[in-house]
Amino acid sequence: GEDVEQSLFLSVREGDSSVINCTYTDSSSTYLYWYKQEPGAGLQLLTYIFSNMDMKQDQRLTVLLNKKDKHLSLRIADTQTGDSAIYFCAEEDSSYKLIFGSGTRLLVRP
Amino acid sequence: NAGVTQTPKFQVLKTGQSMTLQCAQDMNHEYMSWYRQDPGMGLRLIHYSVGAGITDQGEVPNGYNVSRSTTEDFPLRLLSAAPSQTSVYFCASRGRAAVEQYFGPGTRLTVT
Repeated sequence: GEDVEQSLFLSVREGDSSVINCTYTDSSSTYLYWYKQEPGAGLQLLTYIFSNMDMKQDQRLTVLLNKKDKHLSLRIADTQTGDSAIYFCAEEDSSYKLIFGSGTRLLVRP
Repeated sequence: NAGVTQTPKFQVLKTGQSMTLQCAQDMNHEYMSWYRQDPGMGLRLIHYSVGAGITDQGEVPNGYNVSRSTTEDFPLRLLSAAPSQTSVYFCASRGRAAVEQYFGPGTRLTVT
């Protein structure tokens, strides 16, 4: 079945760039999403990319999609302590069902 | 426009009890879904609905029932609660013409 995988943990210094990676298996995915979750909170949609795009930039966020390798990445420029959270990658199939990765915990050190 | 609302925020049940988690949206979205989030894991789909009167199972449907009698409401019923159902439950909705799936704030359920 479909599967989405992410690395578990990333630690960066404040001001550096963070790159969170994700691989997925469903080649028929329509949209791929990045969500942010802070402790005890719900999910906040950060950005998304349509499956026929290679890149999307939104202020400090850059999403890269390599369809051939089924690899998605999220780059956060000038990472701040407020960016510390868990980041989930999710793919959406043609029935709008979301398949989530297990999340990457980002720790930003001052 | 309240978005997606969920009640209650917190609930403690004893094993064997039943209850209904409520979810409502005021955006006239066709698609609604329920996910559960266990510690250290991503969200897993329990049940979903593509419109009033239509429901289907997701990845982890056992122990849960749903119905969709109106566009706005999509309640999740726990038939006989088990400790394995201790989790945070999220409801989501999406319109066909939109891209974003809107998530509710979640219900934290503990079964003892």
